[in-house]
Amino acid sequence: GQQVMQIPQYQHVQEGEDFTTYCNSSTTLSNIQWYKQRPGGHPVFLIQLVKSGEVKKQKRLTFQFGEAKKNSSLHITATQTTDVGTYFCAGPGSGGSNYKLTFGKGTLLTVNP
Amino acid sequence: DGGITQSPKYLFRKEGQNVTLSCEQNLNHDAMYWYRQDPGQGLRLIYYSQIVNDFQKGDIAEGYSVSREKKESFPLTVTSAQKNPTAFYLCASRPSGINEQFFGPGTRLTVL
Repeated sequence: GQQVMQIPQYQHVQEGEDFTTYCNSSTTLSNIQWYKQRPGGHPVFLIQLVKSGEVKKQKRLTFQFGEAKKNSSLHITATQTTDVGTYFCAGPGSGGSNYKLTFGKGTLLTVNP
Repeated sequence: DGGITQSPKYLFRKEGQNVTLSCEQNLNHDAMYWYRQDPGQGLRLIYYSQIVNDFQKGDIAEGYSVSREKKESFPLTVTSAQKNPTAFYLCASRPSGINEQFFGPGTRLTVL
């Protein structure tokens, strides 16, 4: 079935350093979503990308969707301790159904103050 | 105050017992989902329902059952057939026409 691969699995940074997580699919995605889960919490939707080559920014967070719509990235500039958590990408389920999501395994970000 | 509620937050059961996890939403969302989360495994879909009285198996449905008798409620039963039931269970809902999913706070189930 549909798989979404996400790397790295873990990333530890010093506060103020940048951070990037990458998401790759073997098939073309109609859209990709990003979620953040704080430690002990539940996933919270961050953004959805739909267009080829799309770039969206939310303050220090920059989201990109690849030209081929098979990969995506989330970049955080100058990390803060509030950025700690696991970041997940998610694409449509098998068959391209938007009723289901296939989640990557996530990247756990820890920030040393 | 609208949202998704899951109860209880922590649940302990003895091996061999069935247990039902509650998920209620007052967001008027049509679709609801159950995910299982294990360390390092991301979220895996157990069951989902697009509309009342209808539901489909997800990727790891074996050992689980659901019902969707009301739009607001989508309970999940973890049966004794589930070999490794200890996990964090997340319920989510989604409004029609929007891809974003809204998650509840989760139930952490421990089977002893």
